[in-house]
Amino acid sequence: QQQVKQSPQSLIVQKGGISIINCAYENTAFDYFPWYQQFPGKGPALLIAIRPDVSEKKEGRFTISFNKSAKQFSLHIMDSQPGDSATYFCAASVGGSRLTFGEGTQLTVNP
Amino acid sequence: DGGITQSPKYLFRKEGQNVTLSCEQNLNHDAMYWYRQDPGQGLRLIYYSQIVNDFQKGDIAEGYSVSREKKESFPLTVTSAQKNPTAFYLCASSRDRLAGWTGELFFGEGSRLTVL
Repeated sequence: QQQVKQSPQSLIVQKGGISIINCAYENTAFDYFPWYQQFPGKGPALLIAIRPDVSEKKEGRFTISFNKSAKQFSLHIMDSQPGDSATYFCAASVGGSRLTFGEGTQLTVNP
Repeated sequence: DGGITQSPKYLFRKEGQNVTLSCEQNLNHDAMYWYRQDPGQGLRLIYYSQIVNDFQKGDIAEGYSVSREKKESFPLTVTSAQKNPTAFYLCASSRDRLAGWTGELFFGEGSRLTVL
């Protein structure tokens, strides 16, 4: 019930391409869905987050798409750059407490 | 600069030894968390504390212990009872719901523990 399933585990994209990472959840009580970005040897940092009252949120090249009926949400990185190479985690929580994280996606953007 | 400081960054331990990982924050956050990161398994919650002198078990608390005697500090002890302690440990904090909470977790840079 508390799991968040993330795919793919790894992703290789060419510079300028679109990176897409997907997550699915079961708990319909989840009401906060953030994405975190982690560079090697560092802690994760919040990238972008969405609440279920909207279907899409865009911040620069990063967009979250949210499908409440399918219990899925995804991160789209437009015009992917080598500097975007990192591990991305989706997460979900009820009321923002006790975030449940996905397994992570290692993104590599080739120059 | 405000932030979360974890120490040590790297730690080696012999089997059967307890080890304590330090986490200090100067963000004036009420809530603090410990996560364990293993390849392909995401971040799993070990313990969390929403207020001084109080803490709750997360999903994988067995073999770990914590204390929260000060708002700024939330040390994690990895005991000899933890069967597979080699991992990357992350400390995080967040604002309290009544103090401008946004849902965001602020992470430290982590401590990598290797059991020899």
